[in-house]
Amino acid sequence: DAGITQSPRHKVTETGTPVTLRCHQTENHRYMYWYRQDPGHGLRLIHYSYGVKDTDKGEVSDGYSVSRSKTEDFLLTLESATSSQTSVYFCAISDRDRGSYNSPLHFGNGTRLTVT
Amino acid sequence: LAKTTQPISMDSYEGQEVNITCSHNNIATNDYITWYQQFPSQGPRFIIQGYKTKVTNEVASLFIPADRKSSTLSLPRVSLSDTAVYYCLVVPDSGGGADGLTFGKGTHLIIQP
Repeated sequence: DAGITQSPRHKVTETGTPVTLRCHQTENHRYMYWYRQDPGHGLRLIHYSYGVKDTDKGEVSDGYSVSRSKTEDFLLTLESATSSQTSVYFCAISDRDRGSYNSPLHFGNGTRLTVT
Repeated sequence: LAKTTQPISMDSYEGQEVNITCSHNNIATNDYITWYQQFPSQGPRFIIQGYKTKVTNEVASLFIPADRKSSTLSLPRVSLSDTAVYYCLVVPDSGGGADGLTFGKGTHLIIQP
């Protein structure tokens, strides 16, 4: 399996508090992605990064920010958590520089976040 | 970007062959088809991808007709452990970005004894 570590694996926090989720990779892949998964919605892209300090929004980016200060780490921050952000968050990586055909996504095991 | 349509759920029995079809009527010339599998409490896992005709690996086969407007994931002799959600994606060979990386709700395959 690709070397992807998400931390924490589980977190419970209160509404209004800031939360940061971390994705760490050991594959030196250029692309990193954050998804959230909710019942009835499948996986939805929040933000992605195509290099250090290069990020872009996905389809559900409101309320989230990201940072990538080095290749191996991609951080997802909820500035002020809300109950609607209770979800399972997945990080994924891809080596898309080689062409998408040979570069599928590899996912971490997820972070289960509960906002009370 | 091509939109995909696949059944929400399917049931089958151990030892059967299961075929999951995905429709992608507006697939573009440089798009290819990718399938992922997701078990409960895990992230999706890439299983197979193809551009045309047939692709086979140790896990599954992927059949793509000449018009490429649909594709069929075939799982031979399924077992209980094949119970999972299967996602069909149409991804442009663009070399970057997030184009096509929309998973939708997938097909929930349930295998019974």
